[in-house]
Amino acid sequence: AQTVTQSQPEMSVQEAETVTLSCTYDTSESDYYLFWYKQPPSRQMILVIRQEAYKQQNATENRFSVNFQKAAKSFSLKISDSQLGDAAMYFCAYKVLGGATNKLIFGTGTLLAVQP
Amino acid sequence: NAGVTQTPKFRVLKTGQSMTLLCAQDMNHEYMYWYRQDPGMGLRLIHYSVGEGTTAKGEVPDGYNVSRLKKQNFLLGLESAAPSQTSVYFCASSYNVMSRDGDTQYFGPGTRLTVL
Repeated sequence: AQTVTQSQPEMSVQEAETVTLSCTYDTSESDYYLFWYKQPPSRQMILVIRQEAYKQQNATENRFSVNFQKAAKSFSLKISDSQLGDAAMYFCAYKVLGGATNKLIFGTGTLLAVQP
Repeated sequence: NAGVTQTPKFRVLKTGQSMTLLCAQDMNHEYMYWYRQDPGMGLRLIHYSVGEGTTAKGEVPDGYNVSRLKKQNFLLGLESAAPSQTSVYFCASSYNVMSRDGDTQYFGPGTRLTVL
């Protein structure tokens, strides 16, 4: 069964500094997607970044980038130049390509605090 | 373009009462989903739909029913609410999953339901 593990329940970072959130997953599939979603206090789930497993190049979106290690089944999120608005719960999620349900499997989340 | 909307945003029920949560999307998405989010856990899939008139069970379907009579709407019903159904409910939608670009799920703002 596919599982997603986020081993850091809480993290803290100083404004303007860099922080890395960890995510590991377990799957026997070779083609899949990985996502990071942000959930601020408003509860809205916001897509931060996605990575296709067939792509070796790590995805980047402005200040957000990932370190995708397929062999190690690791998918960490790096936030550079942290801002107060980055404070939120971050969820890592996995989806197999072509699955009938398009089902997302979520980790338990990492609560990120940004200190001014 | 409102994206994905959910009605209501908050609701308090007594045990045994029934209610329906409404999800609407204006992006012409084929797939729609209902998730629940509980403390210390990621989102878990309740039911999903791969198109108008179709529904299927997800990971935690017991106690819930759904209907997709119109492509843009996906309803989640609780026939006899129980305290274990106290949760935050999220609706999401996505394009046809067979497209590599169409798998990203877009979430609504959530509904906080309390069952006393």
